[in-house]
Amino acid sequence: DQQVKQNSPSLSVQEGRISILNCDYTNSMFDYFLWYKKYPAEGPTFLISISSIKDKNEDGRFTVFLNKSAKHLSLHIVPSQPGDSAVYFCAASRGSGNTGKLIFGQGTTLQVKP
Amino acid sequence: ETGVTQSPTHLIKTRGQQVTLRCSSQSGHNTVSWYQQALGQGPQFIFQYYREEENGRGNFPPRFSGLQFPNYSSELNVNALELDDSALYLCASSLDSLAKNIQYFGAGTRLSVL
Repeated sequence: DQQVKQNSPSLSVQEGRISILNCDYTNSMFDYFLWYKKYPAEGPTFLISISSIKDKNEDGRFTVFLNKSAKHLSLHIVPSQPGDSAVYFCAASRGSGNTGKLIFGQGTTLQVKP
Repeated sequence: ETGVTQSPTHLIKTRGQQVTLRCSSQSGHNTVSWYQQALGQGPQFIFQYYREEENGRGNFPPRFSGLQFPNYSSELNVNALELDDSALYLCASSLDSLAKNIQYFGAGTRLSVL
């Protein structure tokens, strides 16, 4: 049972435009969500997180939106840069628990074309 | 500040053998989590160690075991290797076990079982 899903395996955008990566989840007990970025031969790197008490969190070019009723979150990158080309994973956890077990989606490969 | 380091980077084993993977956590972190990432999938939680005790386990059989040492470094041991154990094994450290604390990942160990 895939509790966190990223239904788009890949996304291609032009440099300077907006990239929107989507993620859906099924477990209503999740209350903390994160986005990680992964380059080849490197480990995942933390990008941005959001608690379920918020519906938006911004950090520079990166904004995460959370729609709890739809069990949906999205990552917006504006403007997109070629260096943003990587695999993006969304992850969820039960923040009220004392185990930081992260449930990851399958990932979306973003390609930003110059 | 030293990040999370894993060794070895690559490993080839045959079915039925045993393997030990190692992880040095980031300075100041007392919690280590291990994940398995199969090709084309997101990382899957194996288990977490907090202050040398197992603190949560994912859906993996008992032949996956671990240790955490007083300096908070950690080992993942896999007995009776199977072909399906071929994957990237990621270690992540965090300040403590609370879900709100960001997990920082190492580059991983690529295990191939022949």
